[in-house]
Amino acid sequence: EAQVTQNPRYLITVTGKKLTVTCSQNMNHEYMSWYRQDPGLGLRQIYYSMNVEVTDKGDVPEGYKVSRKEKRNFPLILESPSPNQTSLYFCASGQAGLLIYEQYFGPGTRLTVT
Amino acid sequence: DQQVKQNSPSLSVQEGRISILNCDYTNSMFDYFLWYKKYPAEGPTFLISISSIKDKNEDGRFTVFLNKSAKHLSLHIVPSQPGDSAVYFCAASVNYGGATNKLIFGTGTLLAVQP
Repeated sequence: EAQVTQNPRYLITVTGKKLTVTCSQNMNHEYMSWYRQDPGLGLRQIYYSMNVEVTDKGDVPEGYKVSRKEKRNFPLILESPSPNQTSLYFCASGQAGLLIYEQYFGPGTRLTVT
Repeated sequence: DQQVKQNSPSLSVQEGRISILNCDYTNSMFDYFLWYKKYPAEGPTFLISISSIKDKNEDGRFTVFLNKSAKHLSLHIVPSQPGDSAVYFCAASVNYGGATNKLIFGTGTLLAVQP
């Protein structure tokens, strides 16, 4: 089954404790992206990757890091989480090329930073 | 600055009637528009899209209309069914240097279809 998986689905942590949210896709997609969803703000892009070893900032990259060492995986790293990073996070993947229209989303990771 | 706006946070419709979800945008460079549907505890799923060179695209019960002069997009669902109850996100693609690499999402509209 074609899918994007994220782990963990729920996470409660404390300020400053480094964490990683994993994302994996089995569709051989070149493009992967991370979004956060906040009330009244919709989905905002954090980082994206056009292919292995190619990453770039989205609209809200501060406080986050990513890496793309393998095509299928795109982990999101919070080196020193803060309460304003409490949010619902989605990983997505899609075909790269000239146009990226349809993206496939993971089920989401709800992160709470206290 | 919100480039894609969904001004109605919620909408309630009776089963069998038409649901109309609206979306406005500010960037005239957007070349493709999409609607995503999101159920609770799940990720958004692609629903329907439209190129900026068209003004209508239809897929079963779902039709998207684009009015470029007004920078307005709408999604029509006819007839509405209780299973359509979800959050609907409007999104627009931005073309950078010939390769589109991001989607700009609206804030979402929660549709509730009453039986």
